Amino acid sequence: EIVLTQSPATLSLSPGERATLSCRASQSVGRYLAWYQQKPGQAPRLLIYDASYRATGIPARFSGSGSGTDFTLIISSLEAEDFAVYYCQHRYNWVWEFGQGTKVEIK
Amino acid sequence: QLQLQESGPGLVKPSETLSLTCTVSGDSISSSRYYWAWIRQPPGKGLEWIGTISSRGSTYYSPSLKSRVTMSVDTSKNQFSLKLNSVTATDTALYYCAIPPADYCNNRCDYWGHGTLVTVSS
Repeated sequence: EIVLTQSPATLSLSPGERATLSCRASQSVGRYLAWYQQKPGQAPRLLIYDASYRATGIPARFSGSGSGTDFTLIISSLEAEDFAVYYCQHRYNWVWEFGQGTKVEIK
Repeated sequence: QLQLQESGPGLVKPSETLSLTCTVSGDSISSSRYYWAWIRQPPGKGLEWIGTISSRGSTYYSPSLKSRVTMSVDTSKNQFSLKLNSVTATDTALYYCAIPPADYCNNRCDYWGHGTLVTVSS
């Protein structure tokens, strides 16, 4: 079982600021890591796949990096619609693992 | 365009069986290359993978739920289903059906139902 640990649990920032979210895997996952955004009342939305590739329609202010066990999601300049919960996710075989989430809230 | 829609009872009594169905439109399950998954989210908490099933019926379940979960595919109705038995209040959650990103979509597919809330209460 691979455990994904996200930090921090909550990030309090103002619009226009830079957000840095971390995800650490209990063992190497190569580059097979994705990031999802979830807003209240909505299903999760894929932001980043394979560690650093933006999904269709995702703005350039979202970027992902990392490999092995340490991954980062950066939102370069927060906009109002970016305040949400973010999950990292890894799939091995057909098992999905999710991190516990980081909430990005308005300061 | 491929769409997923969950359906089923919103209220289940403790110790009974939770049964949900996901109807797929825009693709035929019987000939699809996709796999199909259930994920749940307790109120105010994170996402938990329940299980995945292939179009041919191969199943993969979360170890923590494996003893209580059964997933199946009904190709005639273009649906796949989830059964979770012996439910307790801790099974109260928003249940999503989804397609796992994988090689068949270069890890970039993003298909989820809207979710259906199931409450376990007497």
